Amino acid sequence: AQKITQTQPGMFVQEKEAVTLDCTYDTSDQSYGLFWYKQPSSGEMIFLIYQGSYDEQNATEGRYSLNFQKARKSANLVISASQLGDSAMYFCAMREGLHAGNNRKLIWGLGTSLAVNP
Amino acid sequence: DVKVTQSSRYLVKRTGEKVFLECVQDMDHENMFWYRQDPGLGLRLIYFSYDVKMKEKGDIPEGYSVSREKKERFSLILESASTNQTSMYLCASTSVFLGQNTEAFFGQGTRLTVV
Repeated sequence: AQKITQTQPGMFVQEKEAVTLDCTYDTSDQSYGLFWYKQPSSGEMIFLIYQGSYDEQNATEGRYSLNFQKARKSANLVISASQLGDSAMYFCAMREGLHAGNNRKLIWGLGTSLAVNP
Repeated sequence: DVKVTQSSRYLVKRTGEKVFLECVQDMDHENMFWYRQDPGLGLRLIYFSYDVKMKEKGDIPEGYSVSREKKERFSLILESASTNQTSMYLCASTSVFLGQNTEAFFGQGTRLTVV
């Protein structure tokens, strides 16, 4: 079963508008971390934002914020004031068992392709 | 500026060739990873290493091997390249996870075509 689900294969947004990219996850661990990455057409994966399961406040990094709803197991990425350079693939990822030792692997969603229209 | 560097951006190899993909990181990270990325399949973990000379299989290790002789370098080896190994290969590294944010840093990717 998919542990990370990104239900939107593709999204369009108008420049300067906000957009929400969905991510739901499945874990029985109490301690876990959630990550969002951006992959432009050049191919490099760029880390955007992190949310720990025990963090009480939603993470924010500039125009990026993470809408973390623990009970619903969702960690949606919100991009405010979209720019043309935001056009890319966006991946949600999870690391389980943060306090269980050197848990090394990230579990990845399949990604959402975002296109920002001028 | 932290860096993960992959030896090639684009590579074309013939079926049956032995192929080496090199990855070097300058962050003194313990953990290094090799992923394969194909359209619609996301990132799939091939192998990872949490220490020098240590390696563990990921989700799709068949047809691949790895080598980590030095902490900063993690090599992916295609023993006998096949056309179904045509893909984008991504190397990543992270520091030791101790219950805190340890994001993965990625190289620029290698687009391998096997003909």
